[in-house]
Amino acid sequence: DIQMTQSPSALSASVGDRVTITCRASQGIKNYLAWFQQLPGKAPKSLIYAATTLQSGAPSKFSGSGYGTDFTLTITSLQPEDFATYYCLQYYTNFPTFGQGTRLEIK
Amino acid sequence: EVQLVESGGALVQPGGSLRLSCAVSGFPFENYEMNWVRQAPGKGLEWVSYISSGGTTKYYPDSVKGRFTISRDNANKSVYLQMNSLRADDTAIYYCVRNDILDIWGQGTMVTVSS
Repeated sequence: DIQMTQSPSALSASVGDRVTITCRASQGIKNYLAWFQQLPGKAPKSLIYAATTLQSGAPSKFSGSGYGTDFTLTITSLQPEDFATYYCLQYYTNFPTFGQGTRLEIK
Repeated sequence: EVQLVESGGALVQPGGSLRLSCAVSGFPFENYEMNWVRQAPGKGLEWVSYISSGGTTKYYPDSVKGRFTISRDNANKSVYLQMNSLRADDTAIYYCVRNDILDIWGQGTMVTVSS
């Protein structure tokens, strides 16, 4: 199975900040990488797929980059509603795997 | 409006069985692959099953293979997860999710395995 390693596990930031979350795959996955946001007590929501494509309805403050094994999610101009847990997912194989999550907290 | 609505979650004893259902509306269900993803309390996300649009291809991770069975009824726009030989570590919220990119999620249904 492909292992997905996210960093950091937790991140403190202030309203208005720009933050970056990284995800590393244990082997190359081309651009078969998605990002999700999960608010407390809610189902995850798709933000980005194909590493860089913004999901319909997702705000443009979210952007993704990367190819192969190293990927990033960048969030600009943080607002209170952005403080949540973020997950990456590889869907390169028939056995998709998630990163362990990054909890974004208000400083 | 695209909607996925799960049902069937319950408290069940170890070794027991449960069948989850997911009713879909708002898109041509028969054209889409479907998945189940779970989340144990306070933990991360784990994919637990996949079914192709026609229902002929299915995949499972080792953690549930041989115990869980995914199926679908395209006429009734529903996908199911039959869970047998349940264990305490199967306790989780189970989400029905559309597509290989997991683009649309249901609200989830809680399964608790405990004596």
